[in-house]
Amino acid sequence: ETVMTQSPATLSVSPGERATLSCRASQSVSSNLAWYQQKPGQAPRLLIYGASTRATGIPARFSGSGSGTDFTLTISSLQSEDFAVYYCQQYNDWPPETFGQGTKLQIK
Amino acid sequence: QLQLQESGPGLVKPSETLPLTCTVSGGSISTSGYYWGWIRQPPGKGLEWIGSIYYSGNTYYNPSLKSRITISVDTSKNQFSLKLSSVTAADTAVYYCARRQAGVGVDPWGQGTLVTVSS
Repeated sequence: ETVMTQSPATLSVSPGERATLSCRASQSVSSNLAWYQQKPGQAPRLLIYGASTRATGIPARFSGSGSGTDFTLTISSLQSEDFAVYYCQQYNDWPPETFGQGTKLQIK
Repeated sequence: QLQLQESGPGLVKPSETLPLTCTVSGGSISTSGYYWGWIRQPPGKGLEWIGSIYYSGNTYYNPSLKSRITISVDTSKNQFSLKLSSVTAADTAVYYCARRQAGVGVDPWGQGTLVTVSS
């Protein structure tokens, strides 16, 4: 099973600033990685797939990068609606598909 | 617009079987290239992939749950289902049904349904 590790667990950033979230896989997942945003009481929403492709309707301030074992989600110029929990997921080596434990992005 | 909706009991007794159904609307469950799956989230915790099914009936299960889960599909009703047997309090979670396209992430998701295991 491929273990996904996200860091940091909590990230405090001011509105308008840039946020950088990390995700590391225990073995190469190529580019088969997705990022999700989850707000309280809601289902997760797909942001990025294929490590760097934005899903339909996702603003350009969200960008993903990386391949192999190290990945980054960058949110430039944070908006108030961006404060949420973010998960990475690998779908290269499955079953099972595996998620990271999440990074909570909170207002500084 | 494709939509998924979970249905099932909100409360299940320990040792019993948890049954959930996902109804797909706005699109066909028989479309090639899509997997239909279940993901759960215990209160206050992260996401756990349970398993998925292809419309042809091929199933893919999380090894940690494999002995207790059955996922099936009913293409005539545009539904797929989950059965989780021998439940314990550790199975208390919000259960989501969702679609995954090969090479793409999970999208869309159902709204989720909270299932509590308690006597």
